[in-house]
Amino acid sequence: NAGVTQTPKFRVLKTGQSMTLLCAQDMNHEYMYWYRQDPGMGLRLIHYSVGEGTTAKGEVPDGYNVSRLKKQNFLLGLESAAPSQTSVYFCASGSTQRTETQYFGPGTRLLVL
Amino acid sequence: QKEVEQDPGPLSVPEGAIVSLNCTYSNSAFQYFMWYRQYSRKGPELLMYTYSSGNKEDGRFTAQVDKSSKYISLFIRDSQPSDSATYLCALVSGGYNKLIFGAGTRLAVHP
Repeated sequence: NAGVTQTPKFRVLKTGQSMTLLCAQDMNHEYMYWYRQDPGMGLRLIHYSVGEGTTAKGEVPDGYNVSRLKKQNFLLGLESAAPSQTSVYFCASGSTQRTETQYFGPGTRLLVL
Repeated sequence: QKEVEQDPGPLSVPEGAIVSLNCTYSNSAFQYFMWYRQYSRKGPELLMYTYSSGNKEDGRFTAQVDKSSKYISLFIRDSQPSDSATYLCALVSGGYNKLIFGAGTRLAVHP
């Protein structure tokens, strides 16, 4: 039981390049979330999904796209990376049965030059 | 005004001290209150949660919610060097269990 895993752990991009971050969970959770964490700002919600095939915008969605083709996977895409997207990205999953618990992955560190 | 305010610290205390970590929030509709602990270069992990007002205790940790003041606290008794981490308060906002986080307080407990 791996919980929530994220790929890759670290990536360096040049401005304008694209990439996809992968999140996978093995807890059969309906809800999945993508957050970014910047110094002094806590975690901010980018996009989330409440079930396979669904996605919705969070607090800071601009510049990102997401897809949830399979229940266990939630992908975050950057079509044209900008230095402002340098951050640590965390994926989380949660159950419809337990409001209080979200399980977080280990994070992906992204540096955009 | 941010929905959740948290002093980022850093907070440095000697081993054995009682630590008080706090957040204030603006929306009186919030009902679920969480504290997450995040070690350096790791993902946040749920430490404690409280529904509505009151206290909740778990070992050396006590979570407290004062809805009249819109104030939440986490107390750590007999702090240990292993408690050195960033502590984030979080509130459930709206449907689908979306979380709003405070900025996080970095705590260092020195031997």
